[in-house]
Order: sequence, then structure tokens, then C-alpha cells
Amino acid sequence: NAGVTQTPKFQVLKTGQSMTLQCAQDMNHEYMSWYRQDPGMGLRLIHYSVGAGITDQGEVPNGYNVSRSTTEDFPLRLLSAAPSQTSVYFCASSNGGEQYFGPGTRLTVT
Amino acid sequence: AQSVAQPEDQVNVAEGNPLTVKCTYSVSGNPYLFWYVQYPNRGLQFLLKYITGDNLVKGSYGFEAEFNKSQTSFHLKKPSALVSDSALYFCAVRDMRNTDKLIFGTGTRLQVFP
Repeated sequence: NAGVTQTPKFQVLKTGQSMTLQCAQDMNHEYMSWYRQDPGMGLRLIHYSVGAGITDQGEVPNGYNVSRSTTEDFPLRLLSAAPSQTSVYFCASSNGGEQYFGPGTRLTVT
Repeated sequence: AQSVAQPEDQVNVAEGNPLTVKCTYSVSGNPYLFWYVQYPNRGLQFLLKYITGDNLVKGSYGFEAEFNKSQTSFHLKKPSALVSDSALYFCAVRDMRNTDKLIFGTGTRLQVFP
């Protein structure tokens, strides 16, 4: 079991560029979510999904899109990157219990 | 509104001493509570959870947590701290409206000095 994997580990973008952060899990979990972590603010939920074809907004969804075409994958798209999106992004999955986290993507927007 | 509070940004303790990292919660109904640890440049790792039953929950790496319903607290404890316990610790409560969604505290940095 690889658990939850995320790519890339690091990314630098210019303002206005778009990109997709990849997340995959091999535990057949129905629930997947994206968080961003900023100093002093803990983890804030961006978007989540309770199963393939179903997504919903979290606490800070603006500027991000998600889709869930399969149980395994839950990509996060930045439509037009802004410096305020500089952060560490974590993907997580669960199946009614504790959440399992990926290693994170450190994103810098200049 | 459902929430979790970690009142201390940082906790300092000498190696070998007992440690406590505090967490209080606010939810309606019976809470499901979690503790996670984050080592530098890593994702969060699950430590332990309380769902029901014994108020003292044992978890990974010698950690335990005590659920106190009257004080709405779920403090993380360890009898004897190690330097390697130095990390960022997050308390979380399950959103009662969504069985998988977690609400996280802002985190407490634990520093264990040799």
C-alpha cells in the first residue's frame, strides 16, 4: 500500500499561471479532501469529496477547482495562481475513521 | 458552531519529564476526537482517537489522551518526553454533519529539550 501520494513535492508558479496538484490513494477510501497549511492558521479545508462524482466546498474554496472522476484520484486545480496561494497543500483520505495524509506539496507563487 | 481550540502555540518540556498538550472542543452531541502529529516537512500522522468507551485512550509512540466530557477537553499526554517527540501536534473533532470531515485546531509546537 502506497497510501496517499501527492505530486509534485515542490512547485514555483508565476502569478496568473495555472496548474494541477495531483493526489491519489490506493486504500479504496470514499472520502478525500484538500487542505492548505499556513503558519499560525492550522489546516484549512479547501474542497472535499464523499465519493466519485461528488465534490463540495470547504472553508477556503475560492481560486481552486476539484473533480473526482474515480475513487482513487482527487486533483486540485489552481485556475490563476496568486501570491496568496503560496502555502503547503495536503491531500487526505478516510473511510469513516481517521484521515490519512499525503506528504504535501509546497507551492510558491511569485 | 463546532470548533477545536489549542490554547498554547508552544509547549516546552525537558526530556524525561511528563508532557501535556491541551485541547478543548465545542460540538453538539458526542464528539469523535483525534490527535495528529506533524514532523518537519512531513504530512500529518494519526496518533490516537476517542469515539466512545474508556476516557483514557492510548495511541502510538507512548502517547495517550484523556477525554473529559464535563470540561470538554481532550488533552494529549506522555509520561516521559523524548527529544524525538518535538513536532507540531494537532487536535481535531469530527464534524457532526459529515462523518468524515474533520475540524482542526491551529496546532501546538512541542519542543523537548535534552
